[in-house]
Amino acid sequence: NAGVTQTPKFRVLKTGQSMTLLCAQDMNHEYMYWYRQDPGMGLRLIHYSVGEGTTAKGEVPDGYNVSRLKKQNFLLGLESAAPSQTSVYFCASKLRWLAGVNEQFFGPGTRLTVL
Amino acid sequence: AQTVTQSQPEMSVQEAETVTLSCTYDTSESDYYLFWYKQPPSRQMILVIRQEAYKQQNATENRFSVNFQKAAKSFSLKISDSQLGDAAMYFCAYRSTRSQGGSEKLVFGKGTKLTVNP
Repeated sequence: NAGVTQTPKFRVLKTGQSMTLLCAQDMNHEYMYWYRQDPGMGLRLIHYSVGEGTTAKGEVPDGYNVSRLKKQNFLLGLESAAPSQTSVYFCASKLRWLAGVNEQFFGPGTRLTVL
Repeated sequence: AQTVTQSQPEMSVQEAETVTLSCTYDTSESDYYLFWYKQPPSRQMILVIRQEAYKQQNATENRFSVNFQKAAKSFSLKISDSQLGDAAMYFCAYRSTRSQGGSEKLVFGKGTKLTVNP
């Protein structure tokens, strides 16, 4: 069981370039999330998905797009990168809540720098 | 909207001593979940402990325990017999039991950086 994996681990972009971050989970989780972490800001939710083919906006969605074509994968896209998007990006997944507490499992993060 | 506040940006503790990290939250809901996550220098987010609001008993996990004061909306983390490996950022997080549009999202505090001195 690999858990939640993220590709790539590090990336440097120039302003205006585009890229896609890939998140994959092998736990058959329905819910997946993308967060960004900035110094002194904690983690903030960008977008999330409650199942294959569905996505929704989180707290800070501007400048990002997502897709969930397969249940195990959740892609985060930056169409035109800006320096303000320099951050560490975390993907997480969880089971749909039934009864009891279902924790979110996090990937190792991607450090993105936009010059 | 719910908010989570961690008022201590940094804390330090001597190895083998006990330290308490503070967390307060704001919510109008009566049922919810609270979590403490640890983020070591590796960046990996690791769940330390969780608490269901409907449970009066404080959660414990080995050297980690919480002091959950529902009326005061306080959820502090106590680390006993601190070890060098406990050095990390610690995040407090809140999750509603309501659907919230289906997100079941976590709301995080800004974190407390814990240093453990040998």
